[in-house]
Amino acid sequence: NAGVTQTPKFQVLKTGQSMTLQCAQDMNHEYMSWYRQDPGMGLRLIHYSVGAGITDQGEVPNGYNVSRSTTEDFPLRLLSAAPSQTSVYFCASSYSSLITGQGNQPQHFGDGTRLSIL
Amino acid sequence: SQQGEEDPQALSIQEGENATMNCSYKTSINNLQWYRQNSGRGLVHLILIRSNEREKHSGRLRVTLDTSKKSSSLLITASRAADTASYFCATDSNFGNEKLTFGTGTRLTIIP
Repeated sequence: NAGVTQTPKFQVLKTGQSMTLQCAQDMNHEYMSWYRQDPGMGLRLIHYSVGAGITDQGEVPNGYNVSRSTTEDFPLRLLSAAPSQTSVYFCASSYSSLITGQGNQPQHFGDGTRLSIL
Repeated sequence: SQQGEEDPQALSIQEGENATMNCSYKTSINNLQWYRQNSGRGLVHLILIRSNEREKHSGRLRVTLDTSKKSSSLLITASRAADTASYFCATDSNFGNEKLTFGTGTRLTIIP
């Protein structure tokens, strides 16, 4: 049981390049999300998904795209990298409270992707 | 916008002492969660307290919630060097919605 796996762990891009951050979970969780973590700002929600085929925007979605074709995978795409997107990106997953009926569930996080845009 | 604000931003204590950190939030919640983040790692869930609960324990952790003051506290008793980490509170706002809003965290350093 690997939990939440993020790849790559580190990446350096040039301004204008595109790339995909991968996230996979093996816990059959319905809910998956992407956060970015910047110094002094905590974690901010980028996009989230409540199940395969369903995605929605979070607090800071501009410049990022997501898709959810399977329960396991939730990739995050940077369309045209900008220096302001330099950050640490975390993927998280959990069971859906709509299904468990037990209220909000604890999130399981990956170890992050450290991304630098030059 | 940040829902939760932790206080203090940084805390250093001697090993064996108790550590208390606080979280304040702005809007009504259904539950509040606390997470730990070790340097260079992802967040790890510690404890969840629901809005109808006032106190919850898990091992050396004690969490309180005061919904009238919109605040929560995390107490770590008998601290250990391994407790050195950043601690974040996270709040939701709607039942059935997994979206969490995180605070900016408290950096805890345990001095051996």
